[in-house]
Amino acid sequence: NAGVTQTPKFQVLKTGQSMTLQCAQDMNHEYMSWYRQDPGMGLRLIHYSVGAGITDQGEVPNGYNVSRSTTEDFPLRLLSAAPSQTSVYFCASSTRGAVTEAFFGQGTRLTVV
Amino acid sequence: GDSVTQMEGPVTLSEEAFLTINCTYTATGYPSLFWYVQYPGEGLQLLLKATKADDKGSNKGFEATYRKETTSFHLEKGSVQVSDSAVYFCALSLRTGNQFYFGTGTSLTVIP
Repeated sequence: NAGVTQTPKFQVLKTGQSMTLQCAQDMNHEYMSWYRQDPGMGLRLIHYSVGAGITDQGEVPNGYNVSRSTTEDFPLRLLSAAPSQTSVYFCASSTRGAVTEAFFGQGTRLTVV
Repeated sequence: GDSVTQMEGPVTLSEEAFLTINCTYTATGYPSLFWYVQYPGEGLQLLLKATKADDKGSNKGFEATYRKETTSFHLEKGSVQVSDSAVYFCALSLRTGNQFYFGTGTSLTVIP
C-alpha cells in the first residue's frame, strides 16, 4: 500500500527559484493538507483542501500556493523561494470526520540558500 | 483558539524506566485526541487516539486517557525500550472540520 507519497525527499534551492513539492495519495481521502515542521515549533498548517477544486489557507500560507484538481494529488508550489522556507514539509490526508487519523508522507527536506 | 501544549524536551531515560509526556489542550467543542510518533528520517505515524472523554487509547505498551475535566491527554509507558527513541507529538482534531493542531513535539532518547 503506497498511502501518501511525497517527492522529492530532499531539495536544495537558491533564493528566488521556484519549485513544486508533489503529494499523492491512493486512499481516496477527501482531505489533504500541507504542514511545515521547524525545530521547537511542531507542525504548522500551510494549506489544506477538503476536496477536489477546494483549497483554503492554514496558519502559515504566505509564499505558498496549492491546487487540487484531482482527489489524489495536492501539489505545493513555492513561487520565489526564501531562506525562511527552509524546513521539512509533510503532506497528510484523511477521510471526512474528526475521529479519523491523518496519514502522513515521508516528508521533503527543503533547504533554500 | 484551539491549541495543544505538550511537555518540553528533550527527555532522556534509561531502558525500562517509566515514561510520562504531558499534553494539555484548548478546544471549542469536543475534539478527538491523538499521539503521533516520528522516528528519525520518517513521517508521522499514529500511535494511539481517543475520541471522547474517559476513552483510553493504547498501542505498543503506550497509553493515554482523554481527561475532559483537566483537558489533558498524557502519554505513558511503563517500561521504555531503546526502540522507543523518537519524537512524540500530541494533536487534536475538531469535529467541525478536519484540521489537526499539533504540539511542538517531545524528543525521547532511551539509553541502554
